Amino acid sequence: DVKVTQSSRYLVKRTGEKVFLECVQDMDHENMFWYRQDPGLGLRLIYFSYDVKMKEKGDIPEGYSVSREKKERFSLILESASTNQTSMYLCASSPPAGGTDTQYFGPGTRLTVL
Amino acid sequence: RKEVEQDPGPFNVPEGATVAFNCTYSNSASQSFFWYRQDCRKEPKLLMSVYSSGNEDGRFTAQLNRASQYISLLIRDSKLSDSATYLCVVNRAGGNEKLTFGTGTRLTIIP
Repeated sequence: DVKVTQSSRYLVKRTGEKVFLECVQDMDHENMFWYRQDPGLGLRLIYFSYDVKMKEKGDIPEGYSVSREKKERFSLILESASTNQTSMYLCASSPPAGGTDTQYFGPGTRLTVL
Repeated sequence: RKEVEQDPGPFNVPEGATVAFNCTYSNSASQSFFWYRQDCRKEPKLLMSVYSSGNEDGRFTAQLNRASQYISLLIRDSKLSDSATYLCVVNRAGGNEKLTFGTGTRLTIIP
């Protein structure tokens, strides 16, 4: 069974703080993704990584950065948290191109920025 | 136009009934199609892939109509445990691994 874990289920931060969200997968997947999910807007892709140290902007990268130093770990960084970044953050992983596109999700981190 | 459109519902359906959802997508070059299920406050999980020939998994049947660019999901003999949000998911064209998610259709099965 694919397992994707995220470092926190719930997080409360203050405006202006630097926030790190960690994601680890144990299936040796090349691809990893960060999404945010908001009511009425669905899942929106923030960043995507297709290999170690490789990253690609998604649909809403502003205010975020990512780090992938090891294949199994993909971190999302909020450089200076703002209230409009209050959301559910979901990490996912998938096998490389040519295989299934199916993505496997972690349990999510519900971030509140005060 | 949204890339993937779904009726948000809610659909309130009595136990044992049959319910169907449709979803339309805008990119004719998309090649992979899925239904994901998301329970309240949980992560999305793959329910089933959708193949051109249509496919069935127990009480669930998925159909793809490429000409009209829509995908359907049929649930027969619905159970209370089917209550969830169902997400229509389509891959982005170009052979890459990125997916576009619909906003979901909320289903509640009533005893």
